Amino acid sequence: EPEVTQTPSHQVTQMGQEVILRCVPISNHLYFYWYRQILGQKVEFLVSFYNNEISEKSEIFDDQFSVERPDGSNFTLKIRSTKLEDSAMYFCASLPDAGNTIYFGEGSWLTVV
Amino acid sequence: QKEVEQDPGPLSVPEGAIVSLNCTYSNSAFQYFMWYRQYSRKGPELLMYTYSSGNKEDGRFTAQVDKSSKYISLFIRDSQPSDSATYLCAMKGRNSGGSNYKLTFGKGTLLTVNP
Repeated sequence: EPEVTQTPSHQVTQMGQEVILRCVPISNHLYFYWYRQILGQKVEFLVSFYNNEISEKSEIFDDQFSVERPDGSNFTLKIRSTKLEDSAMYFCASLPDAGNTIYFGEGSWLTVV
Repeated sequence: QKEVEQDPGPLSVPEGAIVSLNCTYSNSAFQYFMWYRQYSRKGPELLMYTYSSGNKEDGRFTAQVDKSSKYISLFIRDSQPSDSATYLCAMKGRNSGGSNYKLTFGKGTLLTVNP
């Protein structure tokens, strides 16, 4: 069964460093998303991406964050100058055209120290 | 009032029990309702997707939606130890599709099924 894959599964970084989280969405999907889950908290929407541009972003997704689809398969989330409060599980998700449900990856656990 | 409220539990039941998980919501714009299962430090896995008020059954799982009360439930029959996980409710609005697709989640209920 096709799945969304994410790398790395776990990354530890020092505060102030830049981090890139990578995702390979399901191949025929057109819409891509990043969600975040701080330990013990709700899964929260960050950003949606379609046709090589951001469609919608939450208030969490400030100038520190950026997304990119550098080629036909990868979808990345970059966090510049990481802060301690960026420590969370980051989930990539994708949706097919005319689809009703999104499919999540396994997540990338980011620890900022 | 929070948009989506879900009792975080934890909920512990013996194997074979019927489990009832619930969420309430305040936003009338929510029209589509989902239940996800999440194992520890893993991604949410879709269990059920519903739109209409009423019941939808899939194997041991039944999703129930009452839009008039803004209340949704997930029932698990004959619960198994492998059902032990966090169960997340999620919902979205009617016009939230494609590039506007945005899920609002509950906090999740941690369920343990004891053998």
